[in-house]
Amino acid sequence: GQSLEQPSEVTAVEGAIVQINCTYQTSGFYGLSWYQQHDGGAPTFLSYNALDGLEETGRFSSFLSRSDSYGYLLLQELQMKDSASYFCAVRGNTDKLIFGTGTRLQVFP
Amino acid sequence: GAVVSQHPSWVICKSGTSVKIECRSLDFQATTMFWYRQFPKQSLMLMATSNEGSKATYEQGVEKDKFLINHASLTLSTLTVTSAHPEDSSFYICSAIRGGLAGSTYEQYFGPGTRLTVT
Repeated sequence: GQSLEQPSEVTAVEGAIVQINCTYQTSGFYGLSWYQQHDGGAPTFLSYNALDGLEETGRFSSFLSRSDSYGYLLLQELQMKDSASYFCAVRGNTDKLIFGTGTRLQVFP
Repeated sequence: GAVVSQHPSWVICKSGTSVKIECRSLDFQATTMFWYRQFPKQSLMLMATSNEGSKATYEQGVEKDKFLINHASLTLSTLTVTSAHPEDSSFYICSAIRGGLAGSTYEQYFGPGTRLTVT
């Protein structure tokens, strides 16, 4: 079967750095995406890694290791508005995305 | 940017009735659209893949006759929940990908979602 595992919840304070891990087991793999979703809202795209290594976009970075079936999202200089759910998602052999279990991030002042 | 809209944003219906949800790509042509459902505090579960001009591909366990999908144009896909029951109450979200993109990036553009409550 296919599975993507993430920690269910992470807490941190403003200004801190947080890493959200994702391990996956899928039948095919083209790339790993990360999406942010605030309560009641739509998922918004954060990053996509097709190759091994680190991709940096502002305060957010995403890492992929295909050999380890592992990736992570790194959030730096945390702000209150970063409190949300974060999902990793694998693009398999088709254009479908299979979403992970989701990690709820709570940022405290 | 790439904008996807959904209508309605919320709907309440009685058990046994049918509800249609529309998903539109506003500023691009979407060769493929996807329909997800999400229960409170849970992940997004892919229901089906909708390709313009062809039948939708449903994920295992999703009833085709209950969740009717029509992708009539490159900018519109509809999901009809037929004979709705309280257990169908959920947050339904569509997404779309642009045609013709290649390379190292891949992004699905999500609609704002439709909250369905069946009483």
